[in-house]
Amino acid sequence: EIVMTQSPATLSVSPGERATLSCRASQTVRSRLAWYQQRPGQAPRLLIYGASTRATGIPATFSGSGSGTDFTLTISSLQSEDFAVYYCHQYNDWPDTFGQGTKLEIK
Amino acid sequence: QVQLVQSGAEVKKPGASVKVSCKASGYTFTGDYLHWVRQAPGQGPEWMGWINPNSGATDYAQKFQDRVTMTRDTSIRTAYLELSRLTYDDTAVYYCARQYLSTTTVFDPWGQGTLVTVTS
Repeated sequence: EIVMTQSPATLSVSPGERATLSCRASQTVRSRLAWYQQRPGQAPRLLIYGASTRATGIPATFSGSGSGTDFTLTISSLQSEDFAVYYCHQYNDWPDTFGQGTKLEIK
Repeated sequence: QVQLVQSGAEVKKPGASVKVSCKASGYTFTGDYLHWVRQAPGQGPEWMGWINPNSGATDYAQKFQDRVTMTRDTSIRTAYLELSRLTYDDTAVYYCARQYLSTTTVFDPWGQGTLVTVTS
């Protein structure tokens, strides 16, 4: 199965600044890559699919890029509610697999 | 709005079985696949399988093939996950999630999760 590796494990950023999170696949997943946000005690929420398409209701401060094996989630101008754990998810190959997450914390 | 409401937390002994329910509202229950995903403490999510609520067809991750059963009751818009022969490693939060688009297995929304604790 495809292994998804996220980096860094923890990212410390100040409110108002930009955060860049990375996800690498062990083999190509084309553009079949999604990103989810998980706040403490909550279920994951879909942010991005198709590597760069925002899900319904997701603000433009969230953007995704990449294809093949290397992907990036960028959050511009961080708000307090953006500090959470983010997971990438490939759905190109069966079975679907997720990364181990990047925790975005307040600096 | 689309909502998935799951049953409450469970505590089970090793070797036992657990059955978790997921009640859907706000959309056509038989129109979208439902997936089950679990998340062990401090870990990333792990996909377990899906059920087509219309036909009852299922697809399970190989890891769970021999001890997972996904079913549904369309009359009450509810899907079920049953996992047997539980071990300590099955301690996790179990989520149901709607397939967001018909052509892609991305998940939204998710249920609130059901904590299953396996302890002696």
